[in-house]
Amino acid sequence: AQSVAQPEDQVNVAEGNPLTVKCTYSVSGNPYLFWYVQYPNRGLQFLLKYITGDNLVKGSYGFEAEFNKSQTSFHLKKPSALVSDSALYFCAVRAYTGGFKTIFGAGTRLFVKA
Amino acid sequence: DAMVIQNPRYQVTQFGKPVTLSCSQTLNHNVMYWYQQKSSQAPKLLFHYYDKDFNNEADTPDNFQSRRPNTSFCFLDIRSPGLGDAAMYLCATSRGPGTGGVSNTGELFFGEGSRLTVL
Repeated sequence: AQSVAQPEDQVNVAEGNPLTVKCTYSVSGNPYLFWYVQYPNRGLQFLLKYITGDNLVKGSYGFEAEFNKSQTSFHLKKPSALVSDSALYFCAVRAYTGGFKTIFGAGTRLFVKA
Repeated sequence: DAMVIQNPRYQVTQFGKPVTLSCSQTLNHNVMYWYQQKSSQAPKLLFHYYDKDFNNEADTPDNFQSRRPNTSFCFLDIRSPGLGDAAMYLCATSRGPGTGGVSNTGELFFGEGSRLTVL
């Protein structure tokens, strides 16, 4: 069965410091991996994706994520956090094993303190 | 700009009074989804349409129904809302497999959501 784990409910970081939001996955076949961000009372916004190729992918708002096949991880990173990055972040996985479903992690709330 | 639009953004209904939420898209995507999200939890898939083919999740209550009259529109009907149905309802779209070539990697495009309050 496909699953996604985000081990941290909340991540706190000071503005200007690097941030990491963790994600591990379990899926049969080659995964398509995604990060989405959700601001209060808004829908989810696509940030970045890994499909194939370079393990480091870059996305919107200066975010990047590193795919690690051996550790089945896809951690979200940003070199220098901004207060405006404070939001709810969801890791998601999709595998083309016949379905159209995207499996979301439980979400990690990021607080960036000025 | 191509987008996914949900109406209304906020809906208040009484216990047991039917409600309909709407979603429209200008992306011309084959697949449209309805998710339920409670209290900043992960979105929970209720059902999806691939073109006109309806796919219900096994644990979606019968109280929830959906209609897709054409490619652009999809509706969520809650026949008899209970207090436990208060949530954010998210509509999303994606290209279906086999469409869009190598550019189709299945990311979801979400609307801004409809927040349902049940009194």
